[in-house]
Amino acid sequence: DVKVTQSSRYLVKRTGEKVFLECVQDMDHENMFWYRQDPGLGLRLIYFSYDVKMKEKGDIPEGYSVSREKKERFSLILESASTNQTSMYLCASSRGVYNEQFFGPGTRLTVL
Amino acid sequence: AQSVTQPDIHITVSEGASLELRCNYSYGATPYLFWYVQSPGQGLQLLLKYFSGDTLVQGIKGFEAEFKRSQSSFNLRKPSVHWSDAAEYFCAVPISNFGNEKLTFGTGTRLTIIP
Repeated sequence: DVKVTQSSRYLVKRTGEKVFLECVQDMDHENMFWYRQDPGLGLRLIYFSYDVKMKEKGDIPEGYSVSREKKERFSLILESASTNQTSMYLCASSRGVYNEQFFGPGTRLTVL
Repeated sequence: AQSVTQPDIHITVSEGASLELRCNYSYGATPYLFWYVQSPGQGLQLLLKYFSGDTLVQGIKGFEAEFKRSQSSFNLRKPSVHWSDAAEYFCAVPISNFGNEKLTFGTGTRLTIIP
């Protein structure tokens, strides 16, 4: 059974902290994605990676960075967390093009 | 860029009633279309997908969707809803015509089931 796991389901951080969200997939997928989900706004793509060490900005990359050192792992980094980054963060992976994405359970991040 | 619109933000139906959730897309060629479901506090799960061929697509949990090119629609249906179908539903389409790994999602329709 395919699986995407995220390091935390709930996370509470303080303004200015550096935050790491980790995502691991076991399907040998080349593509991995980080989204943020806010009520009424749907899913917005933060970053996308199509191969190890390769990344592409999504629609809302400001305040975020990513790292992909291994094929199965894709990390989202908030360099200096701010209250407007309080959100649900979803990781996904897929194979090739035009294919469905498989999602992790999400991390609900609260920044105080 | 391609886009999808889900006109209904929130729908309430009675348990056992039929359901139709609307999705309209903007796409230059034959689209690839997806429906996902998100239960409260969970990630998204694929319900069904349309790539080509038969315009009526069957999915999991008794859902189906019909692709209508003339109406640029890909509406999701279920003949009889169960309380466990209460969730948020998202329609998605690839972000462009040319070999694209990225999807763009609609803003979602939240489904409430009343006894």
